[in-house]
Amino acid sequence: KAGVTQTPRYLIKTRGQQVTLSCSPISGHRSVSWYQQTPGQGLQFLFEYFSETQRNKGNFPGRFSGRQFSNSRSEMNVSTLELGDSALYLCASRRGGGTDTQYFGPGTRLTVL
Amino acid sequence: KQEVTQIPAALSVPEGENLVLNCSFTDSAIYNLQWFRQDPGKGLTSLLLIQSSQREQTSGRLNASLDKSSGRSTLYIAASQPGDSATYLCAVREEYGNKLVFGAGTILRVKS
Repeated sequence: KAGVTQTPRYLIKTRGQQVTLSCSPISGHRSVSWYQQTPGQGLQFLFEYFSETQRNKGNFPGRFSGRQFSNSRSEMNVSTLELGDSALYLCASRRGGGTDTQYFGPGTRLTVL
Repeated sequence: KQEVTQIPAALSVPEGENLVLNCSFTDSAIYNLQWFRQDPGKGLTSLLLIQSSQREQTSGRLNASLDKSSGRSTLYIAASQPGDSATYLCAVREEYGNKLVFGAGTILRVKS
């Protein structure tokens, strides 16, 4: 069974640009969550999508947005990039229930110059 | 607001030692607690998940316990090996918001 996949694995952007990251969940998983990991703040929750609907959102500015498609694949978009957006962005999937195990992808390393 | 704390922040042990990693959380309204392993620059690998109604889970050399009422969990690693060197993260799934809240992690180094 294939795991969670994320593309691209590495990205270099400049301030002010926008970026789109993609995540394909494990087959059969309907929930996709996004997390940001930085050395200073650790792992922080961005948002969760379930059956194409945003179910929960973390404390991030509106520049961070996402969506989920009917096949459960998800994209995350960051507009007007800032230096502080440099981070490892992790996508995770699970079936959708509250007691499910969450499985993480390898992440996308975003560097903003 | 849920806060998760992991102690120690870093640990260096000789190969073969048994060790314990600690995790504490402030709000007991959780669905479950999950332990992860992260290798440098990589994603998270799920090690063990303990539901809020359970007391412990075991997988190979790993054993995790949960005391929900006191807000504590421990991860026990038996007979440590150099390949166990990684960052170990503890996360609780909140009932409210249904998201994972992570601790800062314990960096483990097992010396051969």
